[in-house]
Amino acid sequence: EAQVTQNPRYLITVTGKKLTVTCSQNMNHEYMSWYRQDPGLGLRQIYYSMNVEVTDKGDVPEGYKVSRKEKRNFPLILESPSPNQTSLYFCASSSKTGNTEAFFGQGTRLTVV
Amino acid sequence: GENVEQHPSTLSVQEGDSAVIKCTYSDSASNYFPWYKQELGKGPQLIIDIRSNVGEKKDQRIAVTLNKTAKHFSLHITETQPEDSAVYFCAAPDTGRRALTFGSGTRLQVQP
Repeated sequence: EAQVTQNPRYLITVTGKKLTVTCSQNMNHEYMSWYRQDPGLGLRQIYYSMNVEVTDKGDVPEGYKVSRKEKRNFPLILESPSPNQTSLYFCASSSKTGNTEAFFGQGTRLTVV
Repeated sequence: GENVEQHPSTLSVQEGDSAVIKCTYSDSASNYFPWYKQELGKGPQLIIDIRSNVGEKKDQRIAVTLNKTAKHFSLHITETQPEDSAVYFCAAPDTGRRALTFGSGTRLQVQP
């Protein structure tokens, strides 16, 4: 089954404690991205990657890092989480950049206290 | 970059009625306009999309219309059912960043 898998689904952490949200896709897609979803703001892109070892900033990259060492994985790293990073996060992948269907993971609800 | 505005933010209809959600975009070079449905506790899922070489596309009870001159596109759902209740997002490509820019979402509630 074609899917994008994120882990964990739910996470509560404290300010400043480094965390990683994993994302994996099994569709051999080149393009992957991370979004955060906040009420009234829709989906805002954090980072994206057009292929292995190629990453770039989206609309709201501050406080986040990503890596793309393998085609299937695209982890999101919060080095020092802060309460304003409390949000619902989605990983997505697609075969092309921006003009074809994006497949989303189930989401990770992060709370930073 | 691309700017996508979506209206309304919430929409409540009676079962069987039609629902219309509208979006405008800013980048005249955009040529792909998808709509996503997000059910509670799930990620967004593509329900229909349209490319700039056509003005309308239908898939059973849903349709999308595109007006490139005015730079707006709309989602039409006919004969709404309770399972249509969800958050709907429109999107358009940011050709500079080669990414999708999403609207702010519409929460549709279909009352039985």
